[in-house]
Amino acid sequence: EAGVTQSPTHLIKTRGQQATLRCSPISGHTSVYWYQQALGLGLQFLLWYDEGEERNRGNFPPRFSGRQFPNYSSELNVNALELEDSALYLCASSFQRNTEAFFGQGTRLTVV
Amino acid sequence: TQLLEQSPQFLSIQEGENLTVYCNSSSVFSSLQWYRQEPGEGPVLLVTVVTGGEVKKLKRLTFQFGDARKDSSLHITAAQPGDTGLYLCAGVTSGTYKYIFGTGTRLKVLA
Repeated sequence: EAGVTQSPTHLIKTRGQQATLRCSPISGHTSVYWYQQALGLGLQFLLWYDEGEERNRGNFPPRFSGRQFPNYSSELNVNALELEDSALYLCASSFQRNTEAFFGQGTRLTVV
Repeated sequence: TQLLEQSPQFLSIQEGENLTVYCNSSSVFSSLQWYRQEPGEGPVLLVTVVTGGEVKKLKRLTFQFGDARKDSSLHITAAQPGDTGLYLCAGVTSGTYKYIFGTGTRLKVLA
């Protein structure tokens, strides 16, 4: 069974551009979480989607947004990129809310 | 506000030593997970603890959930270089619907 898959693995953008990151959850999982992990730091909660709806978001500006599709895959969009947005973006999925989450390999976003 | 504090933040030990990592909160968690993350990769789930006072063992790793479900510990016996990584605790507090992670403990085991 395939795990959580994220694409692309690496993304290089210039300041001011937009980035789109994609995540496919484990089959049967309906919850998708997005986290930002700056180099050498812990995971900061970004967004949580469950059953197609945004259930909660972390303390990030509105230029961080996303959505969950009917097949439970998800997109994270970051508009007006800033240098400090450079980080590893991790997606995780779980079978139901409040259950253990399984992570993808992440997308390394570099803003130059 | 970080709801899950881990200590220590950094730990460098010799192969064969024992160590304990702590995960503390003022909030009650319905369950708590421990993950290990290696550089450039996503965190990998090690264990889930659910019941207050629960102890789980995974080879040389022992996980304990506090009686009040507000804290947890990870004990590693006879650490090996392969144990090197970032250890993260995580969980969901009642009513928040945020799956949050602890601040992390970066472990380095020297051969």
